[in-house]
Amino acid sequence: QLQLQESGPGLVKPSETLSLTCTVSGDSISSSTYYWGWIRQAPGKGLEWIGGIYYSGSAYYNPSLKSRVTISVDTSRNQFSLRLTSVTAADTAVYYCARRGQIGFLDSWGQGTLVIVSS
Amino acid sequence: QPVLTQSSSASASLGSSVTLTCTLSSGHSTYIIAWLQQQPGEAPRHLMKLEGRGSYTKGSGTPDRFSGSSSGADRYLTISNLQSEDEADYYCETWDSYTQVFGTGTRVTVL
Repeated sequence: QLQLQESGPGLVKPSETLSLTCTVSGDSISSSTYYWGWIRQAPGKGLEWIGGIYYSGSAYYNPSLKSRVTISVDTSRNQFSLRLTSVTAADTAVYYCARRGQIGFLDSWGQGTLVIVSS
Repeated sequence: QPVLTQSSSASASLGSSVTLTCTLSSGHSTYIIAWLQQQPGEAPRHLMKLEGRGSYTKGSGTPDRFSGSSSGADRYLTISNLQSEDEADYYCETWDSYTQVFGTGTRVTVL
């Protein structure tokens, strides 16, 4: 059974870099069928697509975040990661990782991890 | 890039039905969408894929009381025999080559 688990610091200081990892179990991240993504949800707000990556390393980002975001993949560990630089309080959110299937919708989600940006 | 529009809230009585609407922006009326459910404090989960013709495919674990339909640029999610556990936020989702797009979500309250 596919499982995705986010991990990383729950508190990040303003202007620093947020780093999260998503560990995939029950499926190989190297499958060419899937695309692996990050989504966030600010408190009380809706879902925001951050970006995604194929196992080959080809990554695509939300234009509104593109200048600050890097998504990478480590196939040997079956993980993919998110880096968001120069964070502010507006980046406080629950961050989710998810799998995008061949058709295009997100078919499996991690449980999410809350990241608070505060000094 | 498509834009998805949803009403902010809906309510209905226990055991009744409620229909949620997701409207695709101009020029994107043929897009396939998906419906997501997010229960309080939980991660979103996929409910179904819904095509412009109205055919839908439910995800594993989606109860029978959930159904989908379409008309033009509108995509509908109908919840029949509403249960207390259906009180949640519902999002529609679509995509293009490498991007996901989410609607603003509809909060369903069970009276």
